[in-house]
Amino acid sequence: SYVLTQPPSVSVAPGKTATITCGGNNIGSKSVNWYQQKPGQAPVLVIYYDTDRPSGIPERFSGSNSGNTATLTISRVEGGDEADYYCQVWDRSSGHLVFGGGTKLTVL
Amino acid sequence: EVQLTQSGAEVKKPGESLKISCKGTGYSFSSYWIAWIRQMPGKGLEWMGIIHPGDSDTRYSPSFQGQVTISADKSISTAYLQWSSLKASDSAMYYCARHIGGVGIGYGEYWGQGAQVTVSS
Repeated sequence: SYVLTQPPSVSVAPGKTATITCGGNNIGSKSVNWYQQKPGQAPVLVIYYDTDRPSGIPERFSGSNSGNTATLTISRVEGGDEADYYCQVWDRSSGHLVFGGGTKLTVL
Repeated sequence: EVQLTQSGAEVKKPGESLKISCKGTGYSFSSYWIAWIRQMPGKGLEWMGIIHPGDSDTRYSPSFQGQVTISADKSISTAYLQWSSLKASDSAMYYCARHIGGVGIGYGEYWGQGAQVTVSS
């Protein structure tokens, strides 16, 4: 089965840029979606189809995908960005959806 | 406004059955896939399966195949997740999510608020 690998944690100071990676075999050939989950809340979609932002998501959130790594970038990080972030793809060979293990973003 | 409203928290004993629900409003329920996602305490998201309410086409994650049943009643815009015999390890938060794009390409655009299931003797 297809495996997505995320770092367990990322820390960043307010106003700086946070980079969260999602590794997978030839993930650049797949469409990657990213979700933000704050404590006690349901996940929220922040990036879809590698680079697109849903309405209401700040432009500070951006995504990229190439080779074996997809990346979620959060610019000018704010305290309210502190959350768990999950990447997600479809493994078309099996027809199953896969989530990464999640990354806890801590704002210092 | 699109909303997914899930049934409330449940406390059950091992061996009991359970069916939780996810009601979609503000859109054509039959036209969008609904996925179910498990989150065990302190852990990440796990995809359980997905159903198209229009024709009840259903796919399961191998991890959950045979362990749960996903269904939908389009006449009342509601999807279901059910267990015939609960185990303590089924204790978790369960989310439903409306999928855009369908199987193989879609993503969870709208999510329910979650339903906490606790299984304890």
